[in-house]
Amino acid sequence: KAGVTQTPRYLIKTRGQQVTLSCSPISGHRSVSWYQQTPGQGLQFLFEYFSETQRNKGNFPGRFSGRQFSNSRSEMNVSTLELGDSALYLCASSLDGSGTEAFFGQGTRLTVV
Amino acid sequence: GESVGLHLPTLSVQEGDNSIINCAYSNSASDYFIWYKQESGKGPQFIIDIRSNMDKRQGQRVTVLLNKTVKHLSLQIAATQPGDSAVYFCAEKEGNTPLVFGKGTRLSVIA
Repeated sequence: KAGVTQTPRYLIKTRGQQVTLSCSPISGHRSVSWYQQTPGQGLQFLFEYFSETQRNKGNFPGRFSGRQFSNSRSEMNVSTLELGDSALYLCASSLDGSGTEAFFGQGTRLTVV
Repeated sequence: GESVGLHLPTLSVQEGDNSIINCAYSNSASDYFIWYKQESGKGPQFIIDIRSNMDKRQGQRVTVLLNKTVKHLSLQIAATQPGDSAVYFCAEKEGNTPLVFGKGTRLSVIA
């Protein structure tokens, strides 16, 4: 069974641009969560989608948004990029997000210059 | 590879010894816990989980212990191997709320 797939693996963007990251969860999984990982802050929760609805949201500015499609694939978008947005963005999928195993993708490494 | 954490606590163990990685969690209402392993340049890899109605759970070479009284979680790795070198994270969860991750511990295995 295929794991969680995130694309692209690496991105370099300029300040002020926007970016869209994609996550394909494990087949049958309906919950997709996004995390930002930086050396200083560790893993911080961005948002979770379940059945195309945002179920939980972390403490990030409105420049960070996401959505989930009917096939459970999810995208996250960051607008007006700042240098501080440089991070590894990770997506995790689980069956229903409630007390079940959550599996991560390899992440997208975003560098803002 | 990318640096997961620049100033993480580090545990150094001799190859073949047992490792114990500790984690203090914050939410007394958390009912589900996971340990992840993250190698450089990769996403976190699921190792083992435990629910709050259990005190201990064993996997292949790994054991997780949960002490709800003091909100403490530990991961024991038997016969540690060089391939176990990585950063280990504990994560806690309450119901449908998001996983909350600890800061991580770097395990370094000395051959």
